[in-house]
Amino acid sequence: KQEVTQIPAALSVPEGENLVLNCSFTDSAIYNLQWFRQDPGKGLTSLLLIQSSQREQTSGRLNASLDKSSGRSTLYIAASQPGDSATYLCAPNFGNEKLTFGTGTRLTIIP
Amino acid sequence: NAGVTQTPKFQVLKTGQSMTLQCAQDMNHEYMSWYRQDPGMGLRLIHYSVGAGITDQGEVPNGYNVSRSTTEDFPLRLLSAAPSQTSVYFCASSPQKKTEAFFGQGTRLTVV
Repeated sequence: KQEVTQIPAALSVPEGENLVLNCSFTDSAIYNLQWFRQDPGKGLTSLLLIQSSQREQTSGRLNASLDKSSGRSTLYIAASQPGDSATYLCAPNFGNEKLTFGTGTRLTIIP
Repeated sequence: NAGVTQTPKFQVLKTGQSMTLQCAQDMNHEYMSWYRQDPGMGLRLIHYSVGAGITDQGEVPNGYNVSRSTTEDFPLRLLSAAPSQTSVYFCASSPQKKTEAFFGQGTRLTVV
């Protein structure tokens, strides 16, 4: 069964720190992986899409890496800001019709 | 830039009632899908469509119907609502299957 795990479930860091969010998955045969943020009571906002042939993808202060062989992806956030507070979800596509979601990491940036 | 639009945002139903959750996208995407989000669980796929006139079941399809008569619209019908269908429902679209997905703002449904 294809499963996605995000640890920790919650994380609090002071403003300005760099941080890493982790995502692990059980099937290394992924097609691509998408990172989303979800604000309370809101929809999912796409942050980055990283293809299976890529090792990294960057957008502004965000950098996503992908290591298929170890079944891991990380989302690096540089110089964190209070506006970064949200739940972050990773969702690999294992080459089928759906995204498989983790349960997310709830991030709080402390001013 | 509307993107993916879902209506309504909130809904309360009584057990046994039926309703339709609306989803529309203005990006000319071929692939559309419905997910539900429940506490402590990742989003799960209900139904999906790879183009107008084509739909298929996801991992939790029971109690739901879909149709895709146009590229833009992909409504989700609850035939006879049950308390187990209390959830937040998200519609998503992408240019093709396995490409970047864009999500709507969600519909929070409570069945009493």
